[in-house]
Amino acid sequence: NAGVTQTPKFQVLKTGQSMTLQCAQDMNHEYMSWYRQDPGMGLRLIHYSVGAGITDQGEVPNGYNVSRSTTEDFPLRLLSAAPSQTSVYFCASSDLNSFEAFFGQGTRLTVV
Amino acid sequence: AQSVTQPDIHITVSEGASLELRCNYSYGATPYLFWYVQSPGQGLQLLLKYFSGDTLVQGIKGFEAEFKRSQSSFNLRKPSVHWSDAAEYFCAVGAEYSGGGADGLTFGKGTHLIIQP
Repeated sequence: NAGVTQTPKFQVLKTGQSMTLQCAQDMNHEYMSWYRQDPGMGLRLIHYSVGAGITDQGEVPNGYNVSRSTTEDFPLRLLSAAPSQTSVYFCASSDLNSFEAFFGQGTRLTVV
Repeated sequence: AQSVTQPDIHITVSEGASLELRCNYSYGATPYLFWYVQSPGQGLQLLLKYFSGDTLVQGIKGFEAEFKRSQSSFNLRKPSVHWSDAAEYFCAVGAEYSGGGADGLTFGKGTHLIIQP
């Protein structure tokens, strides 16, 4: 029972590089979201999607892009990494009727 | 927009003692409320949730929480803590998407629980 799978678990980028954080869920959940976790800040919503082809911005969307071509996958793209994007990133999914979010194990990203 | 306040950044409790973690929320309608726990280097695990009905909700690992609308609070309690309860605890509120469903959770900044032997 995989649940929500994030890859990679760790990543180091140089300033200006681009990369994609992968997120996949096997629970057929309509709702998926990306959060970043910073010390003393809790989790902040970056982007979310309520179904394939539908995405919207959360609290801190600048510097990140998302797309949702399938129900299962919700990748997060950093177009030009900045040191301020050093953080732990969590992907979550939930059923639109249950509201319970299931989280991946996180991706620890360092931008140098 | 909704918001969540966890007033205590750190709490230290002796093993076997009772625990209460505070959470206050701000939201214009009936909130969907959650408590999550995060062990070091791990993702978040749902402890319990409140949507409607009985204001005292039971969760996993012996935790419970009480929704008090008049105080805009959703405090987490446990009668007797164990060393394995040491972790970060997050309270969250969910907004109802216009089409139904959580419109993204808003989290508090977390409370770090330390257990003394």
